[in-house]
Amino acid sequence: EPEVTQTPSHQVTQMGQEVILRCVPISNHLYFYWYRQILGQKVEFLVSFYNNEISEKSEIFDDQFSVERPDGSNFTLKIRSTKLEDSAMYFCASTRGSGTDTQYFGPGTRLTVL
Amino acid sequence: AQSVTQPDIHITVSEGASLELRCNYSYGATPYLFWYVQSPGQGLQLLLKYFSGDTLVQGIKGFEAEFKRSQSSFNLRKPSVHWSDAAEYFCAVARPITAGNKLTFGGGTRVLVKP
Repeated sequence: EPEVTQTPSHQVTQMGQEVILRCVPISNHLYFYWYRQILGQKVEFLVSFYNNEISEKSEIFDDQFSVERPDGSNFTLKIRSTKLEDSAMYFCASTRGSGTDTQYFGPGTRLTVL
Repeated sequence: AQSVTQPDIHITVSEGASLELRCNYSYGATPYLFWYVQSPGQGLQLLLKYFSGDTLVQGIKGFEAEFKRSQSSFNLRKPSVHWSDAAEYFCAVARPITAGNKLTFGGGTRVLVKP
Protein backbone atom coordinates (compact mmCIF):
# COMPACT_ATOMS: atom_id res chain seq x y z
CA GLU A 1 0.00 0.00 0.00
CA PRO A 2 1.40 3.42 -0.87
CA GLU A 3 2.44 5.56 2.05
CA VAL A 4 3.67 9.02 2.92
CA THR A 5 7.29 9.06 4.01
CA GLN A 6 9.16 11.69 5.99
CA THR A 7 12.82 12.34 6.64
CA PRO A 8 14.55 12.66 8.97
CA SER A 9 12.69 10.91 11.75
CA HIS A 10 14.43 13.10 14.32
CA GLN A 11 16.18 16.42 13.80
CA VAL A 12 18.10 18.28 16.47
CA THR A 13 19.11 21.86 15.78
CA GLN A 14 20.35 24.95 17.53
CA MET A 15 18.06 27.93 18.01
CA GLY A 16 18.34 30.32 15.09
CA GLN A 17 19.36 27.65 12.59
CA GLU A 18 17.41 26.81 9.46
CA VAL A 19 15.85 23.38 9.11
CA ILE A 20 14.21 21.64 6.21
CA LEU A 21 11.80 18.79 6.83
CA ARG A 22 11.16 16.50 3.90
CA CYS A 23 8.13 14.54 2.87
CA VAL A 24 7.34 12.30 -0.08
CA PRO A 25 3.55 12.27 -0.53
CA ILE A 26 1.66 9.47 -2.25
CA SER A 27 2.39 9.75 -5.94
CA ASN A 28 -1.05 10.51 -7.42
CA HIS A 29 -2.09 12.88 -4.65
CA LEU A 30 -2.69 16.53 -5.36
CA TYR A 31 -3.12 18.22 -1.96
CA PHE A 32 -0.35 18.33 0.59
CA TYR A 33 -0.39 19.40 4.21
CA TRP A 34 1.83 20.04 7.17
CA TYR A 35 0.62 19.67 10.73
CA ARG A 36 2.51 19.85 13.97
CA GLN A 37 2.03 18.51 17.47
CA ILE A 38 3.82 20.14 20.36
CA LEU A 39 4.38 17.60 23.14
CA GLY A 40 1.21 17.20 25.15
CA GLN A 41 -0.86 19.40 22.84
CA LYS A 42 -3.23 18.93 19.93
CA VAL A 43 -2.24 18.19 16.37
CA GLU A 44 -2.48 21.59 14.64
CA PHE A 45 -2.83 22.47 10.99
CA LEU A 46 -0.02 24.57 9.55
CA VAL A 47 -0.50 24.79 5.80
CA SER A 48 -2.08 23.19 2.76
CA PHE A 49 -0.58 23.25 -0.71
CA TYR A 50 -2.13 22.64 -4.10
CA ASN A 51 -1.07 23.31 -7.66
CA ASN A 52 2.27 24.69 -6.51
CA GLU A 53 0.89 27.28 -4.18
CA ILE A 54 -0.36 27.62 -0.64
CA SER A 55 -4.13 27.13 -0.53
CA GLU A 56 -4.57 27.79 3.18
CA LYS A 57 -2.36 28.54 6.15
CA SER A 58 -2.87 28.96 9.87
CA GLU A 59 -1.75 31.85 12.03
CA ILE A 60 1.14 29.68 13.18
CA PHE A 61 2.54 29.63 9.65
CA ASP A 62 4.30 33.00 9.74
CA ASP A 63 7.15 34.39 7.65
CA GLN A 64 9.60 31.99 9.29
CA PHE A 65 7.90 29.07 7.56
CA SER A 66 7.84 28.19 3.90
CA VAL A 67 6.82 25.18 1.83
CA GLU A 68 7.97 23.97 -1.52
CA ARG A 69 7.50 21.13 -3.93
CA PRO A 70 10.86 21.33 -5.61
CA ASP A 71 10.84 18.34 -7.91
CA GLY A 72 7.36 16.87 -8.29
CA SER A 73 7.85 14.24 -5.62
CA ASN A 74 9.21 15.90 -2.49
CA PHE A 75 7.27 18.35 -0.35
CA THR A 76 9.35 20.35 2.09
CA LEU A 77 8.76 22.54 5.11
CA LYS A 78 11.47 25.07 5.87
CA ILE A 79 11.81 26.93 9.12
CA ARG A 80 14.15 29.84 8.53
CA SER A 81 15.32 30.63 12.05
CA THR A 82 14.19 28.08 14.57
CA LYS A 83 12.91 29.01 18.02
CA LEU A 84 12.67 26.85 21.11
CA GLU A 85 8.89 26.79 20.70
CA ASP A 86 9.22 25.19 17.25
CA SER A 87 10.15 21.93 18.99
CA ALA A 88 7.38 19.55 18.00
CA MET A 89 6.45 16.53 15.92
CA TYR A 90 5.77 17.62 12.34
CA PHE A 91 3.45 15.52 10.23
CA CYS A 92 3.09 15.63 6.49
CA ALA A 93 -0.16 14.47 4.88
CA SER A 94 -1.51 14.13 1.38
CA THR A 95 -4.80 13.47 -0.33
CA ARG A 96 -6.05 13.06 -3.86
CA GLY A 97 -8.02 16.22 -3.33
CA SER A 98 -11.73 15.67 -2.98
CA GLY A 99 -13.08 16.84 0.34
CA THR A 100 -14.18 13.31 1.13
CA ASP A 101 -10.83 11.71 0.33
CA THR A 102 -8.75 10.37 3.18
CA GLN A 103 -5.75 12.35 4.31
CA TYR A 104 -2.81 9.97 4.61
CA PHE A 105 -0.22 10.92 7.19
CA GLY A 106 3.47 10.25 7.35
CA PRO A 107 5.18 8.98 10.53
CA GLY A 108 6.37 12.43 11.48
CA THR A 109 9.65 14.22 12.11
CA ARG A 110 10.48 15.06 15.68
CA LEU A 111 12.19 18.46 15.72
CA THR A 112 14.14 19.40 18.82
CA VAL A 113 15.43 22.97 19.06
CA LEU A 114 18.14 23.54 21.67
CA ALA B 1 -14.30 28.41 14.02
CA GLN B 2 -14.56 24.68 14.41
CA SER B 3 -13.31 22.91 17.52
CA VAL B 4 -13.17 19.36 18.81
CA THR B 5 -13.22 18.15 22.40
CA GLN B 6 -12.19 14.74 23.60
CA PRO B 7 -13.07 14.81 27.29
CA ASP B 8 -11.05 11.75 28.30
CA ILE B 9 -7.28 12.13 28.21
CA HIS B 10 -6.61 8.57 29.32
CA ILE B 11 -8.75 5.45 29.37
CA THR B 12 -7.70 2.08 30.75
CA VAL B 13 -9.66 -0.94 29.63
CA SER B 14 -9.24 -4.67 30.12
CA GLU B 15 -8.57 -6.85 27.12
CA GLY B 16 -11.85 -8.20 25.83
CA ALA B 17 -13.90 -5.39 27.36
CA SER B 18 -15.77 -2.81 25.35
CA LEU B 19 -14.39 0.63 24.62
CA GLU B 20 -16.09 3.94 23.97
CA LEU B 21 -14.20 7.14 23.24
CA ARG B 22 -16.07 10.41 23.33
CA CYS B 23 -15.83 13.24 20.86
CA ASN B 24 -17.81 16.47 20.75
CA TYR B 25 -17.44 19.11 18.10
CA SER B 26 -18.44 22.70 17.60
CA TYR B 27 -19.31 23.77 14.10
CA GLY B 28 -22.08 25.75 12.45
CA ALA B 29 -23.24 22.91 10.25
CA THR B 30 -22.51 19.20 10.06
CA PRO B 31 -18.82 18.85 9.38
CA TYR B 32 -16.99 15.90 7.98
CA LEU B 33 -15.95 13.73 10.93
CA PHE B 34 -12.99 11.42 11.35
CA TRP B 35 -11.28 9.15 13.83
CA TYR B 36 -7.55 8.56 13.53
CA VAL B 37 -5.31 6.26 15.57
CA GLN B 38 -1.65 6.77 16.34
CA SER B 39 0.46 3.88 17.55
CA PRO B 40 3.90 4.62 19.03
CA GLY B 41 6.35 5.64 16.32
CA GLN B 42 3.65 5.59 13.65
CA GLY B 43 1.79 8.25 11.77
CA LEU B 44 -1.90 8.88 12.06
CA GLN B 45 -4.03 6.15 10.50
CA LEU B 46 -7.65 6.71 9.55
CA LEU B 47 -10.08 4.40 11.35
CA LEU B 48 -13.31 5.73 9.87
CA LYS B 49 -15.03 8.80 8.53
CA TYR B 50 -18.52 10.25 8.26
CA PHE B 51 -19.80 12.61 5.62
CA SER B 52 -23.52 12.01 5.41
CA GLY B 53 -26.16 9.29 5.41
CA ASP B 54 -26.24 6.42 7.86
CA THR B 55 -25.18 7.80 11.23
CA LEU B 56 -23.48 4.57 12.28
CA VAL B 57 -20.25 4.07 10.37
CA GLN B 58 -18.02 1.06 10.33
CA GLY B 59 -14.27 1.33 10.17
CA ILE B 60 -11.18 -0.77 10.20
CA LYS B 61 -9.98 -2.97 13.07
CA GLY B 62 -13.55 -3.58 14.28
CA PHE B 63 -14.26 0.03 15.22
CA GLU B 64 -17.51 1.88 14.66
CA ALA B 65 -18.69 5.39 15.40
CA GLU B 66 -22.08 6.99 15.72
CA PHE B 67 -22.88 10.53 14.67
CA LYS B 68 -25.49 12.23 16.83
CA ARG B 69 -26.42 15.62 15.46
CA SER B 70 -28.47 16.60 18.51
CA GLN B 71 -25.47 16.08 20.78
CA SER B 72 -22.79 17.26 18.33
CA SER B 73 -21.02 14.01 19.06
CA PHE B 74 -19.17 11.35 17.14
CA ASN B 75 -18.23 8.66 19.65
CA LEU B 76 -16.00 5.75 18.75
CA ARG B 77 -16.71 2.24 19.97
CA LYS B 78 -15.28 -1.22 19.86
CA PRO B 79 -17.12 -4.19 21.39
CA SER B 80 -14.03 -6.13 22.46
CA VAL B 81 -10.58 -4.58 22.65
CA HIS B 82 -7.35 -6.35 21.86
CA TRP B 83 -3.96 -5.55 23.36
CA SER B 84 -2.95 -4.14 19.97
CA ASP B 85 -5.60 -1.41 20.35
CA ALA B 86 -3.40 0.37 22.88
CA ALA B 87 -2.69 3.67 21.15
CA GLU B 88 -3.73 7.29 21.03
CA TYR B 89 -6.99 8.10 19.29
CA PHE B 90 -7.82 11.42 17.70
CA CYS B 91 -11.17 12.75 16.62
CA ALA B 92 -11.07 15.35 13.85
CA VAL B 93 -13.45 17.51 11.86
CA ALA B 94 -13.24 19.25 8.52
CA ARG B 95 -15.44 21.69 6.69
CA PRO B 96 -17.77 19.98 4.21
CA ILE B 97 -16.14 21.53 1.16
CA THR B 98 -15.25 19.98 -2.15
CA ALA B 99 -11.48 19.84 -1.81
CA GLY B 100 -8.44 20.64 0.21
CA ASN B 101 -9.92 20.33 3.69
CA LYS B 102 -7.74 20.99 6.66
CA LEU B 103 -8.38 18.79 9.68
CA THR B 104 -9.05 20.19 13.13
CA PHE B 105 -8.12 17.67 15.79
CA GLY B 106 -9.19 17.02 19.33
CA GLY B 107 -6.62 16.59 22.05
CA GLY B 108 -6.56 12.83 21.80
CA THR B 109 -7.39 9.98 24.15
CA ARG B 110 -4.67 7.57 25.15
CA VAL B 111 -5.97 4.01 25.56
CA LEU B 112 -4.17 1.54 27.77
CA VAL B 113 -5.17 -2.11 27.59
CA LYS B 114 -4.76 -4.31 30.68
CA PRO B 115 -4.19 -8.02 30.19
